[in-house]
Amino acid sequence: SYELTQPPSVSVSPGQTAWITCSGHTLPKQYAHWYQQKPGQAPVLVIYKDSERPSGIPERFSGSSSGTTVTLTISGVQAEDEADYFCQSTDSSGNYHVFGTGTKVTVL
Amino acid sequence: EVQLVESGGGLVQPGGSLRLSCADSGFTFSNYWMHWVRQAPGRGLEWVSRINNDGSGASYADSVKGRFTISRDNAKNTLYLQMNSLRAEDTAVYYCVRDPSGFDFSWFDLWGRGTLVTVSS
Repeated sequence: SYELTQPPSVSVSPGQTAWITCSGHTLPKQYAHWYQQKPGQAPVLVIYKDSERPSGIPERFSGSSSGTTVTLTISGVQAEDEADYFCQSTDSSGNYHVFGTGTKVTVL
Repeated sequence: EVQLVESGGGLVQPGGSLRLSCADSGFTFSNYWMHWVRQAPGRGLEWVSRINNDGSGASYADSVKGRFTISRDNAKNTLYLQMNSLRAEDTAVYYCVRDPSGFDFSWFDLWGRGTLVTVSS
């Protein structure tokens, strides 16, 4: 089965930059999307199609893609950004969708 | 207000069945592909199933194929998930999610609050 790999955790001080990576062999050909999930809440879309930001999402959230790795960048991290982050993409057939393993972002 | 509201979760015995529903409001339901995504307690997200906007096509994760059936009633603005032969590993919060892409590179821009399904004897 297709897998997307993320680091389990990232720690960052307020005001600094957090980078969260997601690796998968179909990412050069398929878009990746990112979700933020806070405890007890449903996920929220923060980046779609590798680098597009939905309306209402702060500009400090950005996305990029390079080969088999996509990256979510949170610039000027704030305490409210502490959450789990999941990438998501589609397999090569386009019929199956998969989420990454998830990264817990801790704001020190 | 644009929202999705799931219902139908609960406690069921292994081997049993359950039907989840998801009612939308605030947008034109028939314009969107829809999906179910689940999350086991303390675990990550798992995509379950997808249906296109007119209900003519669907796909399933291998873990539920042959046991779960997704459907929709656009006249009632409602999405369904019929779950049969339930197993303990199906225990999870089930989310109804909206897909604005209309293509196979789906993303999920609107999530319901989820409904908990517990499979246990």
